[in-house]
Formats: sequence, C-alpha cells, structure tokens
Amino acid sequence: GAGVSQSPRYKVTKRGQDVALRCDPISGHVSLYWYRQALGQGPEFLTYFNYEAQQDKSGLPNDRFSAERPEGSISTLTIQRTEQRDSAMYRCASSLMGGMFNSPLHFGNGTRLTVT
Amino acid sequence: KQEVTQIPAALSVPEGENLVLNCSFTDSAIYNLQWFRQDPGKGLTSLLLIQSSQREQTSGRLNASLDKSSGRSTLYIAASQPGDSATYLCAVIGGTSYGKLTFGQGTILTVHP
Repeated sequence: GAGVSQSPRYKVTKRGQDVALRCDPISGHVSLYWYRQALGQGPEFLTYFNYEAQQDKSGLPNDRFSAERPEGSISTLTIQRTEQRDSAMYRCASSLMGGMFNSPLHFGNGTRLTVT
Repeated sequence: KQEVTQIPAALSVPEGENLVLNCSFTDSAIYNLQWFRQDPGKGLTSLLLIQSSQREQTSGRLNASLDKSSGRSTLYIAASQPGDSATYLCAVIGGTSYGKLTFGQGTILTVHP
C-alpha cells in the first residue's frame, strides 16, 4: 500500500521567499507529525495534528513557521521569509492513532530544503 | 526536558557478529520507546515499539529491551548482515505531549562482508 508521501522531494529557494511543503499521510491515519532533521542528527519535533486539530506546535522555531491540516488528511508546512538556517530535511510522519496509543510512526522520505 | 543519548555514535563489525546498540533517556515517564532504521535518502522505518509496561520486543533477528526505571534501552541484532548497515535511531514519547517523539542522534552501523 501507499506510504507517507511528501512533495517536493527537493526545494531550492532564495532567502526571503516563502515555501510550502506538502505531506500526504497514509489513508485512515489519525495523527500527522512534522519533524526537521539536520545532517548527522535525529529528527527534531515541530508540530503534530490529530485529525484537523493542531495538538502541539511547541517545536515550531518561530512565527515564520506554520502548519495546517484543514480536512484531517493532507498537511502543509509553510515557512515564510525563509532564512539560510531553515535549510534542512523536513520529514512528515503519520500514525493510526496518537503516540500514547502505541501506534508506530510511519515516515515519508522527506523534503530537502535548501535556502540560498 | 527529555534528552535521548545513543552510544556508540558509530559501529563497524564483520558479518555474522551479534551486536548491541544502546539508548538512554533522562525522563523515565514515557509511554513507549521506538527503534527506527534510517537508510540514506530514505525515510525512517519503524523496527520495534516497546510499550512502557513491556520489558522487550522481538522481530526476527532484532530484540529490543526496555528498563524504564533506569532510563535505558538496548537493541540487539543477531547474526548481522551487510544489509543491516544503516543508521539506527531510538525515540521516546511521553510527558504531556502525546505526539512528541524525542530522538537520539543515532548509531551508524556498518556491517562488512
């Protein structure tokens, strides 16, 4: 079956531009997560949703970052006025239920963002 | 704040060896611990999930143990193969944010023929 799909796979943008990263979770999965991963490090939590409700956005670095999941399926992570320090691999994951219900997370292949 | 540490950072072994990867976490109030495998250019693949009430989980040649009170987990790989070469990450979930997995930095495993 289809896994978590992220697009684009690679994104190169100039400093100051806005970018939108898309995540299409596994069908039927309630929870959706966004993580950011720097080279040689483990993923760092950004935000997560149950259905369309954003449950925790404590990991978003600043107010240039936002995420939505309006219909409880596809999610978009938006970064406004990008800066070079935003360059990283952005990973999306989904799970059948929330983490406290012991549902494993399924990750997509990520979007590699490079800000020049 | 939960912190997760993995030791060693890198490991190189000959094919056929049994090996152990270590993970420690600072806050023992967790719901579960997960081990992931990451291959270059690909996403993370969930290997094993151990619930906080469990002591271990097994899948094929993999066995993961959890000692919640001491804040430790180990991933045991039996009879390693070159195809096991990857980065292995452990992550814990707990506290008040049910969706927030805290990851370690990973162990890079190389199994040479």
